[in-house]
Amino acid sequence: AQTVTQSQPEMSVQEAETVTLSCTYDTSESDYYLFWYKQPPSRQMILVIRQEAYKQQNATENRFSVNFQKAAKSFSLKISDSQLGDAAMYFCAYRREYGNKLVFGAGTILRVKS
Amino acid sequence: NAGVTQTPKFQVLKTGQSMTLQCAQDMNHEYMSWYRQDPGMGLRLIHYSVGAGITDQGEVPNGYNVSRSTTEDFPLRLLSAAPSQTSVYFCASRPDRNTGELFFGEGSRLTVL
Repeated sequence: AQTVTQSQPEMSVQEAETVTLSCTYDTSESDYYLFWYKQPPSRQMILVIRQEAYKQQNATENRFSVNFQKAAKSFSLKISDSQLGDAAMYFCAYRREYGNKLVFGAGTILRVKS
Repeated sequence: NAGVTQTPKFQVLKTGQSMTLQCAQDMNHEYMSWYRQDPGMGLRLIHYSVGAGITDQGEVPNGYNVSRSTTEDFPLRLLSAAPSQTSVYFCASRPDRNTGELFFGEGSRLTVL
């Protein structure tokens, strides 16, 4: 069974600084998708970034980028120039290709200090 | 621009009561699903549907029923609520079984006393 592990229950970052959230996963599949979702206090689940396993290039979306290490089964999220609005719970998630289930990690609470 | 709509947003039940969480999407998505979110456990899949008339169990299906009579609607039924079902429930959809990310509703907080 696939599992996703987020080893940092909480992280803090100063406004305008950079922070990296860690995620590791376990799978025997070669084709899959990885996601980072943001959940602010409003409870809404917002997709931050996605990565297809067959792509070697790391995905980027504005201030958000990932470091995808397929052999190490690692998928970290880097947030540059952190803003107060980035404060939220962040979930790493995995889905195998053609899979019906999104497997989530336990989440990391990110606090942004002004 | 409704997307995925869940009702109610909050509900308090007594043990043994039944209720239905409603989910509707207006994006003509084939795939719909229900997740529950519990502290320290992320989100876990309850049931899913790959199209009208087709449903299947996810990771934690016990105590829940679903049906998919139309493409738009995917209600989740609690037949006899238990305190262990106290959770936040999310409905999510995507265009088809494989492509695209999940679009989530705003969540429903359910408390069972």
